[in-house]
Amino acid sequence: GNSVTQMEGPVTLSEEAFLTINCTYTATGYPSLFWYVQYPGEGLQLLLKATKADDKGSNKGFEATYRKETTSFHLEKGSVQVSDSAVYFCALSDYDYKLSFGAGTTVTVRA
Amino acid sequence: NAGVTQTPKFRILKIGQSMTLQCAQDMNHNYMYWYRQDPGMGLKLIYYSVGAGITDKGEVPNGYNVSRSTTEDFPLRLELAAPSQTSVYFCASRGSASTDTQYFGPGTRLTVL
Repeated sequence: GNSVTQMEGPVTLSEEAFLTINCTYTATGYPSLFWYVQYPGEGLQLLLKATKADDKGSNKGFEATYRKETTSFHLEKGSVQVSDSAVYFCALSDYDYKLSFGAGTTVTVRA
Repeated sequence: NAGVTQTPKFRILKIGQSMTLQCAQDMNHNYMYWYRQDPGMGLKLIYYSVGAGITDKGEVPNGYNVSRSTTEDFPLRLELAAPSQTSVYFCASRGSASTDTQYFGPGTRLTVL
C-alpha cells in the first residue's frame, strides 16, 4: 500500500534560517505529491504540489522536487519567518485520488 | 464563497452519547472526505463520497456513519461515542475526477470522556 514517512519534529529555528523537512514515500503507482500546511487553529492548506517525476513545486518561498529515483519530496525554504511557524504535512495521492499523509512536522520559528 | 465549513468547532461528549459533525461546501464539489487527526499522526481517512447518494469506507470507518443527500453537505455521525474517538476531525472536498487538490475545513475538536 501507499505510505509517507516524514522527518520527525519538532523543529525550532531562528528567523532567516534554512529549513528542510525530509519526506519519502512508498507507492504502487505514479502518485502526485503534496505539501500541506496547518497554521495554529486552522485547517490544512495546500502549500505546493508536483504531479510527475522531476517536477518542482513552489509557493511562498518554499520548494520541493519530485525525485522518483529516491522516492522523495523534501520541502525547503531558504529564509524562514516567524509566520512560517506551522505543522507541515507531506502527502501523496495515487490513481484513486485518496490522500495518504505523513505524521506531520511541527516547525517553530523564533524571532 | 466560504469554502468548506464545519460545525461545531469544539465538543465534549460522554461515553455512549451520539452526535453529528456537520460539513458543508459551497464550491459545487462532487468529492468529499472525512479525516481524523490524532496527536503525532497523519490524517486518516474515515469515509468519502464521490457524489450525492454515494459513500464509501476509508481506512478507519468503524464507529462512524455518513450520508450524502446533497452535493453541499456531508455529515459524519458518531452513534456510541468512545474515548478512542477523541480526535480532531477534518472535512475536505475536491472538485472533479481530474483534479487532485483537496480543500479542507477548519476542523472539529472532539473529546470523549
